[in-house]
Amino acid sequence: NAGVTQTPKFRVLKTGQSMTLLCAQDMNHEYMYWYRQDPGMGLRLIHYSVGEGTTAKGEVPDGYNVSRLKKQNFLLGLESAAPSQTSVYFCASSYSPLTYNEQFFGPGTRLTVL
Amino acid sequence: DQQVKQNSPSLSVQEGRISILNCDYTNSMFDYFLWYKKYPAEGPTFLISISSIKDKNEDGRFTVFLNKSAKHLSLHIVPSQPGDSAVYFCAARNTGNQFYFGTGTSLTVIP
Repeated sequence: NAGVTQTPKFRVLKTGQSMTLLCAQDMNHEYMYWYRQDPGMGLRLIHYSVGEGTTAKGEVPDGYNVSRLKKQNFLLGLESAAPSQTSVYFCASSYSPLTYNEQFFGPGTRLTVL
Repeated sequence: DQQVKQNSPSLSVQEGRISILNCDYTNSMFDYFLWYKKYPAEGPTFLISISSIKDKNEDGRFTVFLNKSAKHLSLHIVPSQPGDSAVYFCAARNTGNQFYFGTGTSLTVIP
């Protein structure tokens, strides 16, 4: 089991460029999440998905789009990158909330926007 | 506004002593609380959790206490070991299964 994997691990973009971050999980989890971690801010939820084909906004969704076409994959897109989107991005997944379940995190993607 | 707060950015403890990490929250609708541990350049990993219907949960050297009336939870590590040195995040879940994280406390256990 690979758990939760993220691609790429590092990326440098110029302002205005676009990119897609890929998250994949092999645990058959229903729920998937995208977070960003900034110094002094903890982890903040960007978007999440409660199942294949569904997405919902989190705390800080502006400037990002997501898609969940397959249950095991959750994509985070930046259409026009801005320096304020420089951050470390973490993907996570979990079982349904019917029981008390923790989230499993990927290793992170460090993104720098110049 | 930050719904989950960790007011101590860092904590240093001697090996073998108790480490106490604190967390406060504002939303009384949170029903599940978790602690995660994070090493540099890695994702957070789950450590221990507690539901809102309990006031204590223990797992080996780790114990989490929940005081609902004070909207406060704490993580106790006894005895502390050098391998426990990491950043610890507390998190709380709302009824929509969204998780809110604190800003983290960096624990250093001194050998």
